[in-house]
Amino acid sequence: NAGVTQTPKFRILKIGQSMTLQCTQDMNHNYMYWYRQDPGMGLKLIYYSVGAGITDKGEVPNGYNVSRSTTEDFPLRLELAAPSQTSVYFCASSYGGGYYGYTFGSGTRLTVV
Amino acid sequence: AQTVTQSQPEMSVQEAETVTLSCTYDTSESNYYLFWYKQPPSRQMILVIRQEAYKQQNATENRFSVNFQKAAKSFSLKISDSQLGDTAMYFCAFMKHHSGGGADGLTFGKGTHLIIQP
Repeated sequence: NAGVTQTPKFRILKIGQSMTLQCTQDMNHNYMYWYRQDPGMGLKLIYYSVGAGITDKGEVPNGYNVSRSTTEDFPLRLELAAPSQTSVYFCASSYGGGYYGYTFGSGTRLTVV
Repeated sequence: AQTVTQSQPEMSVQEAETVTLSCTYDTSESNYYLFWYKQPPSRQMILVIRQEAYKQQNATENRFSVNFQKAAKSFSLKISDSQLGDTAMYFCAFMKHHSGGGADGLTFGKGTHLIIQP
């Protein structure tokens, strides 16, 4: 039972490069989320999805894009990496609105230099 | 918008002691959920305990319990018989209830770094 799988675990990008953070879950959860965690801070919501084909912005969406073509996958795209996007990124999923809690992936540490 | 405040950036206690982590929140919602998540050095976010705002009874999960004071908007976490494995960042989080379904995610506090000393 894999839960929520994120790849890669670590990545260094140069300013202006693009990349996609992958997230997949095998629990048939309809809700999925992307958060970022900056040093000394709690997690902040970037984007979320309530089902395949439906996405919405969270608190800090600028500089990111998402898509949800299947129930299982929810990739996060960074188009023009900036140093301000250096952070740890967490993907999570939940059944319904997450009232019983989320299942989180193990995170991706991204450094933009 | 909701805000969650954790006023203790770091706490340190001896193994087997009891420790209480503080959390306050600000909201105009009447129906919501509160959570405590643990983040050990492995970075994995682990749900510790949850509380439904419409329930007066405080939630308990083994050595972990909460003191939920709705009027005061306070949600503290008590860890009894603390163990070395409890060393971690602890995050308090808020989620409002959507009566028609849907959700807009969790709002997290900045966390408390709890260190259990042997």
